[in-house]
Amino acid sequence: EVQLVESGGGLVRPGGSLRLSCAASGFTLSNAWMSWVRQTPGKGLEWVGRIKSKTDGGTIDYAAPVKGRFTISRDDSENTLYLQMNSLQTEDTAAYYCSKGVGVHNFFDYWGQGILVTVSS
Amino acid sequence: DIQMTQSPSTLSASVGDRVTITCRASQSISVWLAWYQQKPGKAPKLLIYKASSLESGVPSRFSGSGSGTEFTLTISSLQPDDSATYYCQQYNTYLTFGGGTKVEIK
Repeated sequence: EVQLVESGGGLVRPGGSLRLSCAASGFTLSNAWMSWVRQTPGKGLEWVGRIKSKTDGGTIDYAAPVKGRFTISRDDSENTLYLQMNSLQTEDTAAYYCSKGVGVHNFFDYWGQGILVTVSS
Repeated sequence: DIQMTQSPSTLSASVGDRVTITCRASQSISVWLAWYQQKPGKAPKLLIYKASSLESGVPSRFSGSGSGTEFTLTISSLQPDDSATYYCQQYNTYLTFGGGTKVEIK
């Protein structure tokens, strides 16, 4: 059974950093296109970034609002996806989901339970 | 960026009603569109992909249609369990989500 479990969220001051983890089970993370998606009451669902599978080159792409501040990585030995978030702003406050892409497409058949990140002074 | 516009933003219907939600793309996305259902406190759940393909395990009362810039999600006979927010998502160019449609049961 495929499962995605996020951890690492919490309260952080503006300008601070946080690293989210997404532990995957039931499939091999490096064989999937994985994304981070965030959700706020005001802006709805917003794609954050994606890492392609190893066989597709492992290319990483980011949405404009987070490019240069957020970094996606993967630990194949731990079957875990990461989102390193630096220079956090209040607008980054959201529930963050890791999600598994279907094949080489950017739609998602499995999602984590979501983890809340609050950026506030 | 491709913008996705859903309508209506909310709708209220009775059990057994036929319900239709519309999603418009700011430019052609061919058939690269997915629909999700989200209940409060839960992650989105995939219903439809490639505009009209039903995800395994999803009840057949859900259907999708459209291509290009205009798409619809139809629930043929609304059930109490269908009370949720529905989102469209394009994946033609990276990906973007619509603003959501909240479906309430009268």
